[in-house]
Amino acid sequence: SQQGEEDPQALSIQEGENATMNCSYKTSINNLQWYRQNSGRGLVHLILIRSNEREKHSGRLRVTLDTSKKSSSLLITASRAADTASYFCATANPNFGNEKLTFGTGTRLTIIP
Amino acid sequence: EPEVTQTPSHQVTQMGQEVILRCVPISNHLYFYWYRQILGQKVEFLVSFYNNEISEKSEIFDDQFSVERPDGSNFTLKIRSTKLEDSAMYFCASQGDLAKNIQYFGAGTRLSVL
Repeated sequence: SQQGEEDPQALSIQEGENATMNCSYKTSINNLQWYRQNSGRGLVHLILIRSNEREKHSGRLRVTLDTSKKSSSLLITASRAADTASYFCATANPNFGNEKLTFGTGTRLTIIP
Repeated sequence: EPEVTQTPSHQVTQMGQEVILRCVPISNHLYFYWYRQILGQKVEFLVSFYNNEISEKSEIFDDQFSVERPDGSNFTLKIRSTKLEDSAMYFCASQGDLAKNIQYFGAGTRLSVL
């Protein structure tokens, strides 16, 4: 089974609008993280939310976690052209210890200037 | 800001050849990882390394793969006999503190097997 599925797979919005991406997962987790990947580059850590947290903010980012639904959302407010990238959720599974990250399929976000 | 560095950025090799991908993790980090991303697909875990030994490996990480931390700073991934399907981006990551569980990723090495 797939651990970590984001939707939508692709999202295009106008600069200044808000972007919302969703992630679902299947197994129990210690925490869920969001990473950004610019085209052809490495992964940049954005934010981590623990399993006992429901919402977290960091600058223009807002993450929610619903462990009963095994889902998370990432909201980017007041989007900028520089936010164009792929966004991945990643889970750390307690069965494997706090090490291995399992990534989702990603959402490709395009901000139209 | 400290960063994870990977070399080379692009490696082209013939099928059957050995390749070594190199990574310099953030100093004083203790946990090291390799992941790979086949073009257009999700990032997949390969192996984790702690205290000079493998702590976990995926089913992808078969006998053709090995990891080493030869000198306390570099962390290498070796593929003994490359296959076409090994073509991918390979990412190294390091982590200082399991409690924070933030892994810092390098920019990756693009491996092209011809």
